[in-house]
Amino acid sequence: GENVEQHPSTLSVQEGDSAVIKCTYSDSASNYFPWYKQELGKRPQLIIDIRSNVGEKKDQRIAVTLNKTAKHFSLHITETQPEDSAVYFCAASEKEEYGNKLVFGAGTILRVKS
Amino acid sequence: NAGVTQTPKFQVLKTGQSMTLQCAQDMNHEYMSWYRQDPGMGLRLIHYSVGAGITDQGEVPNGYNVSRSTTEDFPLRLLSAAPSQTSVYFCASSYLASSYEQYFGPGTRLTVT
Repeated sequence: GENVEQHPSTLSVQEGDSAVIKCTYSDSASNYFPWYKQELGKRPQLIIDIRSNVGEKKDQRIAVTLNKTAKHFSLHITETQPEDSAVYFCAASEKEEYGNKLVFGAGTILRVKS
Repeated sequence: NAGVTQTPKFQVLKTGQSMTLQCAQDMNHEYMSWYRQDPGMGLRLIHYSVGAGITDQGEVPNGYNVSRSTTEDFPLRLLSAAPSQTSVYFCASSYLASSYEQYFGPGTRLTVT
């Protein structure tokens, strides 16, 4: 089955700097790669996603890039702000007979220091 | 829309007790799933369902049962609670075909002593 590895496990940046979180996946058939943000004590919420027919997607300060050949994808946050502090999870979809199952990475704790 | 709801928010069980975590969604989503979240281990899939009457196992199904009698509800049953089941449990739902975004419930924090 699919396996997703996420690095780093913790990341501290100064406010205004950029943050990059990287994930690798094992199943070349996976075709959907979402990123979720989880604030302390809250539920995970989707912040951006990318499908396998696209190499890059951007939404304001957040961007995701996908390299299908190398089987890795990355989250880029520019001009970080204290409210970006949270746990970020990447995931990859595992194709099933019906629909898709998401396999999550272990998460990255992002701390933005002001 | 209430989205995805879960009850209870918190629960303490003794080893060997059984209980059911409730999950409901009002978005007419076909796909529903249960995850457990443990520190440093991300979200691990317990069971999932692609529609009423259809369920399947995820990565960590042992000790848990599910059923899906309606589109809206997807309860998770702990048969005989063990301390290793201490975790935060999230239910999630999504459309099967048109959209892959999974919407999560608020979670249930379970402690087994």
